[in-house]
Amino acid sequence: RKEVEQDPGPFNVPEGATVAFNCTYSNSASQSFFWYRQDCRKEPKLLMSVYSSGNEDGRFTAQLNRASQYISLLIRDSKLSDSATYLCVVNPHSGGYQKVTFGIGTKLQVIP
Amino acid sequence: DAGVIQSPRHEVTEMGQEVTLRCKPISGHDYLFWYRQTMMRGLELLIYFNNNVPIDDSGMPEDRFSAKMPNASFSTLKIQPSEPRDSAVYFCASHRGGNTDTQYFGPGTRLTVL
Repeated sequence: RKEVEQDPGPFNVPEGATVAFNCTYSNSASQSFFWYRQDCRKEPKLLMSVYSSGNEDGRFTAQLNRASQYISLLIRDSKLSDSATYLCVVNPHSGGYQKVTFGIGTKLQVIP
Repeated sequence: DAGVIQSPRHEVTEMGQEVTLRCKPISGHDYLFWYRQTMMRGLELLIYFNNNVPIDDSGMPEDRFSAKMPNASFSTLKIQPSEPRDSAVYFCASHRGGNTDTQYFGPGTRLTVL
């Protein structure tokens, strides 16, 4: 089993739709989690961290389910500009250990 | 701040040639990472440094790959000799330290080995 698994998609959704991605991780001791966004032919950039209590940033909501070992990203009212690949990132260690694992990414295409 | 700087942005070379990729991390960041991204395998960590010291190079595919960080503001990733399967986008990233901080990526070097 891969350390971090994502459905590569693509997810094709109309403007205004709500879309959700899940990401599963294999190491139950994983401590911190992130979603990165990568535009076509660009570098990955942090979208948001994922906290145990869940967190929301505008139209984006990230949640963590430790029991089932997955994180999710919900995008409401999709915009054309949301079209990108969303990378799930897991840090299996605490105390400042820096070696994170990236998922393969889920491609989102928002259609007019 | 200028962000992470990588050069060259594009590199096309022939099989067997030496390739050197360069990275300047964000000033004050103690960690530097080299990643390789392909469609099939996604983003893979090759090696990372802490305070210029290589900490984990388990992702380096083979002896043809080597990385150095002679000082806090410069790192190189060298492939010698290069092979067509090395074709990928190579990203450098830096990190200030701490468990919740983000990694900042450079724009990447798109390498094509013919």
